[in-house]
Amino acid sequence: DTAVSQTPKYLVTQMGNDKSIKCEQNLGHDTMYWYKQDSKKFLKIMFSYNNKELIINETVPNRFSPKSPDKAHLNLHINSLELGDSAVYFCASSLQGWAYEQYFGPGTRLTVT
Amino acid sequence: GNSVTQMEGPVTLSEEAFLTINCTYTATGYPSLFWYVQYPGEGLQLLLKATKADDKGSNKGFEATYRKETTSFHLEKGSVQVSDSAVYFCALRGTSGGGADGLTFGKGTHLIIQP
Repeated sequence: DTAVSQTPKYLVTQMGNDKSIKCEQNLGHDTMYWYKQDSKKFLKIMFSYNNKELIINETVPNRFSPKSPDKAHLNLHINSLELGDSAVYFCASSLQGWAYEQYFGPGTRLTVT
Repeated sequence: GNSVTQMEGPVTLSEEAFLTINCTYTATGYPSLFWYVQYPGEGLQLLLKATKADDKGSNKGFEATYRKETTSFHLEKGSVQVSDSAVYFCALRGTSGGGADGLTFGKGTHLIIQP
């Protein structure tokens, strides 16, 4: 059984386009996240949601807009894509609380040309 | 703010060698500490965790002890295998986000085990 899934796995698009990445978890968690991994493999938190409410927004450009229709889903929409947006985007989920580990999806490799 | 510093690789070892990957952190309060592993083309998998001082996390032969006095969480394994080749990330989870804090990661250590 897949715990945290993301679609698509690969996304190739041109500058200026708008794209979305979907994430779903079947672990019963109440908190979900988006991370960005750059070409040097550095991982940085972008957003966190708890019970469908935005909790953390880490100085991400307004072109990135997360949306959580329910506790099991957290989607990421990106407007006006730029070359610098090329990266691997990971969704994760956990229970609320600092002691709980986060479970990661397989990642979406976004390439902007 | 929170930060994690870990030794950068690549680290190349022979099979059955002893492994240590150093990790130190800076954080307010009492964070939880984690090691994650990433195999090529895959997402991150939790390797082990510790949630309070002097806790030892262990899994698959890997161990790390939460040392508050030295703010460290070094990863060790007594005898590595070729299958351990991967990128290892040290991470912490703080306490300021109402329980919804993201993880703060180190830059990752690429481990290469040669047969």
